[in-house]
This record gives sequence, C-alpha cells and structure tokens, in this order.
Amino acid sequence: NAGVTQTPKFRILKIGQSMTLQCAQDMNHNYMYWYRQDPGMGLKLIYYSVGAGITDKGEVPNGYNVSRSTTEDFPLRLELAAPSQTSVYFCATTGTGIWGSPLHFGNGTRLTVT
Amino acid sequence: GQQLNQSPQSMFIQEGEDVSMNCTSSSIFNTWLWYKQDPGEGPVLLIALYKAGELTSNGRLTAQFGITRKDSFLNISASIPSDVGIYFCAGRGSNYQLIWGAGTKLIIKP
Repeated sequence: NAGVTQTPKFRILKIGQSMTLQCAQDMNHNYMYWYRQDPGMGLKLIYYSVGAGITDKGEVPNGYNVSRSTTEDFPLRLELAAPSQTSVYFCATTGTGIWGSPLHFGNGTRLTVT
Repeated sequence: GQQLNQSPQSMFIQEGEDVSMNCTSSSIFNTWLWYKQDPGEGPVLLIALYKAGELTSNGRLTAQFGITRKDSFLNISASIPSDVGIYFCAGRGSNYQLIWGAGTKLIIKP
C-alpha cells in the first residue's frame, strides 16, 4: 500500500542543469499537487492538477513545469536549476476537488542547487 | 496575499506537559487543517475542522476552529517522546487554495 511515492529522495544539481522529480500515486486520486518547503516557511504550492491532461499554476510556478498524462503520475520538471530552487519538494494528492480536503503527502525530494 | 501566522515557532517541553499552539489569519478561513511532520517524511493529517466553533479531538490532540474564523488552536495533552516533530496549520482561503503556517517545532527536553 504505497500511497504517494516520490523519487529521488535526494539530488544535487549544478546551476543550469535540468531534472525531473517523479511522483506516483496508487490511490486513484484525481487531484495532485506539488509543494516546496523552505526552512521556517510554510508550504508553497507550485503546480496542481485536477485530472489527467489538466494542470494549473499555483503560488510559485516560475522555473517549473509539470505534465499529467496519467492519473497516477505527476512529474515536476526543472529546466534551468537555480540556487533559489534549493528546497524540499513534496507531492500530494486528494480524492476530492475541495481545497480544504486532507492531503496525502509523499516523503519528499530534497534538492540542492549549487 | 493572505497571511497565516503560527506560533510559537518552537517549544521545549518536559515529557508529560501539555502543549498549546495556534494560528491566526488576516482573513476569514472556511477550513482549518492541522498536520504533523516527522523528520524525512511528508506532513500527515491530524485533525480537520470545517465549522466555526468546532472542537475536535484525536486521542490526546484537540483542535478548535475559532469563532471569528480567523484562528485555530491545537492542544496536546500529556506529551510523550513521539510527539516531537513539526506541527503545521493550514487554512483554506478566499481563493480556495490552502495557506500554510510556518510550523511549530516541538522538542521534548530529556
């Protein structure tokens, strides 16, 4: 019963490199979200998706891209990594469309850009 | 944008003590959620509140949705070592997206 699986757990990138953070869920949830967590700050929403083929920007989308070709997967792409993107990234899902509905989180990807 | 202030930032307590933390918003929220995050893991939902004045318990945890709809409180009674971690509040704002507090780090003194 995996829930929400994020890979990799850790990654170090050089400035300007690109990478994809993977998120997979086996709960058949329609709604998926990407958040970043910086020290001493609350979670910030990067992108979200209400279903396969539909994505939308959150609070801090600049420098990121997403796609949602299947219900299960919601990868987050960084094209030109910058030090400001050093953070812990969390993927989350919920089975309903209500924003206040409880989120199920993965265990995060810790990214360092140097 | 909407602001959500969570306090305290951190707490050092003795095992067995009661703990209180709160979140206040500059605007009205319709939903309050309380999450706990253990090191190396994602946040896990503790309590969800959907109505002003609502008081909900989950074991030793009790949370309340403030009457003004601009605040929420979380209490932990008789703390134990496994209570350590970071506690986050989150509220649903006017744009229907979740706004998160910065977290309260709970540390139990040995």
